Amino acid sequence: EADIYQTPRYLVIGTGKKITLECSQTMGHDKMYWYQQDPGMELHLIHYSYGVNSTEKGDLSSESTVSRIRTEHFPLTLESARPSHTSQYLCASQGNGYEKLFFGSGTQLSVL
Amino acid sequence: LAKTTQPISMDSYEGQEVNITCSHNNIATNDYITWYQQFPSQGPRFIIQGYKTKVTNEVASLFIPADRKSSTLSLPRVSLSDTAVYYCLVGDPYSSASKIIFGSGTRLSIRP
Repeated sequence: EADIYQTPRYLVIGTGKKITLECSQTMGHDKMYWYQQDPGMELHLIHYSYGVNSTEKGDLSSESTVSRIRTEHFPLTLESARPSHTSQYLCASQGNGYEKLFFGSGTQLSVL
Repeated sequence: LAKTTQPISMDSYEGQEVNITCSHNNIATNDYITWYQQFPSQGPRFIIQGYKTKVTNEVASLFIPADRKSSTLSLPRVSLSDTAVYYCLVGDPYSSASKIIFGSGTRLSIRP
């Protein structure tokens, strides 16, 4: 049902590396979100976007950055990964209004 | 944003009806109530959404009393596959600036 894709599904990298987590949707949704979630814990909103060239920080402080140059694409970048960044990152999109969120499969990031 | 309160965890048995209640005392006039389900290592999935009274779909029912200060998600005849975390969210569908914040959710465990 959902046409929202995240890559990679799993990523293991060393400390200090720059990484970009990809998120794309083909539904033409204006709103997109990034959440961070540790095993058994809450989802934390770290970034969101209401459309092209619109990005905002979420409720959880994050060292990552995002961009929204195209409607369908909302990548998340970590300039210098650290072990504290180890977590699952979930991307979601939403149509106009308070329609349901569609989530991608997530990226499980492990920083060694 | 209206804050929601749910039980941290619930247990039940296969074939039983499960009711999960969510409190949202400061719900606004334009707010809708939405429930999501999340399995481990996956993103949340939309279950049901409502504004008042009762909403039913093929998966669940949502009961909302007249004062709308609480809502109850009802899962009929649960199975082991219903073991998951269930989130209650409240938000304004007509606000383009409504960001989606997840609470702690209710961890539902179904036993044989």
